Amino acid sequence: KQEVTQIPAALSVPEGENLVLNCSFTDSAIYNLQWFRQDPGKGLTSLLLIQSSQREQTSGRLNASLDKSSGRSTLYIAASQPGDSATYLCAVRSYSGGGADGLTFGKGTHLIIQP
Amino acid sequence: DGGITQSPKYLFRKEGQNVTLSCEQNLNHDAMYWYRQDPGQGLRLIYYSQIVNDFQKGDIAEGYSVSREKKESFPLTVTSAQKNPTAFYLCASEPGHGYGYTFGSGTRLTVV
Repeated sequence: KQEVTQIPAALSVPEGENLVLNCSFTDSAIYNLQWFRQDPGKGLTSLLLIQSSQREQTSGRLNASLDKSSGRSTLYIAASQPGDSATYLCAVRSYSGGGADGLTFGKGTHLIIQP
Repeated sequence: DGGITQSPKYLFRKEGQNVTLSCEQNLNHDAMYWYRQDPGQGLRLIYYSQIVNDFQKGDIAEGYSVSREKKESFPLTVTSAQKNPTAFYLCASEPGHGYGYTFGSGTRLTVV
């Protein structure tokens, strides 16, 4: 069964720093991987989707990489801002079925950017 | 603008009542999903539907029911059989397998 782990569970950094959030998964037979952002009491906002054949995706200050063979993805946030404060979730779509539909979520990294 | 609308934003249920959470999308997506989110836990799949008039149980379907009579609508009913329904419920849709999920803004259900 696919398992997704996100480290660290929480992170607090000063504004302006570049930072990296980590996501690891146990089964490398994945279809794709998606990074989401969740603000308190809100739904999930999709940030980046990486297909299994891709190595990275970029959107503005965000860059996500994927290394299937090692079961890892990273989300790089450049020049962090207080508005980046949120919980970041990683979700993996597996061929083997991490859940009934093959999508398994990590528990998230709670990020606080200090002004 | 296209998106997913969940209503209501907050819902209160008395013991023994059934309540229905609404999820409507205008994205023309085929697949729709219901997830439950509890503090300290990842999202857990309740039900999903890949096509109209067809749906499948997820990992925690007991105490819930759904219908998919229209492509744009996927309501979730929380029945009295669900013993611990207090949670944040999220609806999502996807145009096809592997194209990525779009989520609604969620419904917070509280048992009173």
